[in-house]
Amino acid sequence: QSVLTQPPSVSGAPGQRVTISCTGSGSNIGAGYDVHWYQQLPGTAPKLLISGNSNRPSGVPDRFSGSKSGTSASLAITGLQAEDEADYHCQSYDSRLRGWVFGGGTKLTVL
Amino acid sequence: QVRLQESGPGLVKPSETLSLTCTVSGDSISSYYLSWIRQPPGKGLEWIGYIYSTGSTNYNPSLKSRVTMSLDTSKNQFSLRLTSVTAADTALYYCARGHLGLPAALNWFDPWGQGTLVTVSS
Repeated sequence: QSVLTQPPSVSGAPGQRVTISCTGSGSNIGAGYDVHWYQQLPGTAPKLLISGNSNRPSGVPDRFSGSKSGTSASLAITGLQAEDEADYHCQSYDSRLRGWVFGGGTKLTVL
Repeated sequence: QVRLQESGPGLVKPSETLSLTCTVSGDSISSYYLSWIRQPPGKGLEWIGYIYSTGSTNYNPSLKSRVTMSLDTSKNQFSLRLTSVTAADTALYYCARGHLGLPAALNWFDPWGQGTLVTVSS
């Protein structure tokens, strides 16, 4: 059972927009801690996609965007491409556990 | 370009100790949070703990009684020991570095090592 809750799977057709939610509580996202997102392509290690709720590292396409509100955060992907098919993980800090926590991961399927 | 590489046995017997090392190349490990994260087959990510470059540590409460992390700055390496392993500890183990200059509560993981699969089986 992950501390942050993500939908197990989402899907969309090429060119469409999808969003992935990440729901926490008052001791993590709701406490104001930043949310970070990672993309994990099949058979590879996770790679930083979004830091500090909405910041894209150099090299990440602007098709990827992040937002946060209250106890939740969202990752949006516009103009879906086949290469976006991957697992996406959210991460934050939890003051009760005094450590970092992840969501369970969301598998994105491009139809 | 900084790179992280995990190394260690791929097979550990139940009740024994899992030991892994992460070697960092391309940059110093000073002033960074250095973490271990694992991913059981087909499951999500679990943060195991971190060691800061000063040697201070913080472990996931669920694993705290079994985890020890250490640092070798002369070799630019940090290590993980997990005692009394069971089949539930079978996972891909990743090492990852935090972002320079940020406190733990604001930090993220970048870059990651490629991961090493550790299987617990007799």
